[in-house]
This record gives sequence, C-alpha cells and structure tokens, in this order.
Amino acid sequence: KNEVEQSPQNLTAQEGEFITINCSYSVGISALHWLQQHPGGGIVSLFMLSSGKKKHGRLIATINIQEKHSSLHITASHPRDSAVYICAVIPWGGSQGNLIFGKGTKLSVKP
Amino acid sequence: DSGVTQTPKHLITATGQRVTLRCSPRSGDLSVYWYQQSLDQGLQFLIQYYNGEERAKGNILERFSAQQFPDLHSELNLSSLELGDSALYFCASSLEDSPNYGYTFGSGTRLTVV
Repeated sequence: KNEVEQSPQNLTAQEGEFITINCSYSVGISALHWLQQHPGGGIVSLFMLSSGKKKHGRLIATINIQEKHSSLHITASHPRDSAVYICAVIPWGGSQGNLIFGKGTKLSVKP
Repeated sequence: DSGVTQTPKHLITATGQRVTLRCSPRSGDLSVYWYQQSLDQGLQFLIQYYNGEERAKGNILERFSAQQFPDLHSELNLSSLELGDSALYFCASSLEDSPNYGYTFGSGTRLTVV
C-alpha cells in the first residue's frame, strides 16, 4: 500500500464545476504539499499546509491531521485548471525535501 | 520563469554513457533538492544539498551522484546509464531546510536513454 493515496486518479469536469481532490496518508507528517503539474511537465507548488485551511484565488486546501487527510478544492473550474495535481508529504523527522508523493490526479476541465 | 534554472531541457544519450544535469537555484535559496519522475515510479526524492553540504538522501542509485558548489548551483551526475533511467529530473530550491519555507521547482530535464 502506498503511503500517500490520492483519489480520484482521473477527473473530468465541465467548466464552472466545483472540484475536490482527496489525499490520504499513513505516516506522521510535519507538512503536506499540493503541487500542480501542467502538460508541459513543469511543477508549481500551490500550497504547503501543516494545519487548517489555506486559500489562494479559486483554490482552497484543507488538512485534518488527526484523520491524516487533505483535500484540494477548485471553485468555478476553468479549462486552464487542467493539469495533474500531486499531493506530497514531509514525514516527521525527515528533511524538508524528503517528500513522499502521491501518484497524482489528472484533471481535465471541458469548456 | 520560476527562478530555478535547469539545463539542459532535453537530453538523449546511449546506454552506458554518463551525463551531468545542472541546476541553478532561485537567488538566495540555500537548499537544492533533486527528484526523478518516471512513468512507473512517479516522483521520487533523490538527494538534498544545503549550503554545499549533503543534507538528506532518498532513493538515489549508487550510479548517481550530486554536489552543490560554492555559488550554490548543483549538478546531478548519472553514470552507466540504463534504459530505466529515462525520466524527468527536477530540481527544486528553498531558502532554508524547514517545513516553514516553500519550494520552487525548475522546469525539469527530460532524459531519454536509448
């Protein structure tokens, strides 16, 4: 079993829909990242969370440390949101770079 | 432009060869991280340097090595290349080695071993 599980693996939505991507992990962590990878391959760090909730524009990320679960929400989705979204955790006691990655959720938003 | 520069963007080489991937971190960042993204393994942490010193090691093969130079740029050396080494190699940088600081990723080097 992977230490970081994401669901769904693939997601197709219509423009304007509210989207939720889930991430569950099995190890103790000091922080969790949400990353976005566009078809060209580049990776952008969206959020780093250790508790609670963060919001940036139409993106909201939440984390529940007790339940070992995080969600990434996209409100009013747009075709330019089409990308792979990757959850990654920093295990307790690990170096900041020693991330354990989920396999990603491929999002396609249709106009 | 994220501020993290990786060169080359693409590299095609033959099995058994050796290549060097280069990463220049964002100005002021002391930590450099290397990651490998392959179709079967996904993203994996390889190694981290902080201010010239190796800080952490992940799933890095013995055929691979890295270093960070006094000007803070880093190089990842891959030798005795195998077909399975074909992957995207990302570098990321951060100001410090702490979960309180975010990362900035480079655009990656796509290595194809033929």
